[in-house]
Amino acid sequence: EPEVTQTPSHQVTQMGQEVILRCVPISNHLYFYWYRQILGQKVEFLVSFYNNEISEKSEIFDDQFSVERPDGSNFTLKIRSTKLEDSAMYFCASSMTSGVSSYNEQFFGPGTRLTVL
Amino acid sequence: SQQGEEDPQALSIQEGENATMNCSYKTSINNLQWYRQNSGRGLVHLILIRSNEREKHSGRLRVTLDTSKKSSSLLITASRAADTASYFCATDEIRNAGNMLTFGGGTRLMVKP
Repeated sequence: EPEVTQTPSHQVTQMGQEVILRCVPISNHLYFYWYRQILGQKVEFLVSFYNNEISEKSEIFDDQFSVERPDGSNFTLKIRSTKLEDSAMYFCASSMTSGVSSYNEQFFGPGTRLTVL
Repeated sequence: SQQGEEDPQALSIQEGENATMNCSYKTSINNLQWYRQNSGRGLVHLILIRSNEREKHSGRLRVTLDTSKKSSSLLITASRAADTASYFCATDEIRNAGNMLTFGGGTRLMVKP
């Protein structure tokens, strides 16, 4: 069964360093997302991406964050200068359609645990 | 309560019993989705129910949606120890341009063998 994959599973970095989290969405999906979950807290939306553009972003997704689909399969999240509070589990998700069609099942990857020291 | 709030926050039952988790939300939605998360792991999609649907089944799962009360319930019948996990509801609000899901805080379910 097709699934979303993410690499790495764990990433440890020093504060101020840049990190790139990678995702391979399900191959026939058109909509891509990043969410994060700080330990013990709710899953929070970061950004959605469709047709090579950001569709929506949350307040969390500030200028330190960027997303890119560098080729036909990968979808990346870059954090330019990491802060301690960026430590979280980052989930990539993808869906075939948009919510307007009401079939917007979003399938999540296993996550990347980011630890900022 | 906040969008997509589940109750109870924690539920402990014996294997074979049914588990019911509830979710309340505030705004108009396109759909509501339920996910399972084992400790420290990824989110597994369980079921999506559209705003014009009232009930949906998938195996031992039964989801209901009451848009007039802005609430949903997830019933797991004949629970197993392997069902031990956190369960989240997530709403796709009509106002959204980018299909963001808003998650609740989850219900931690423990099924004792």
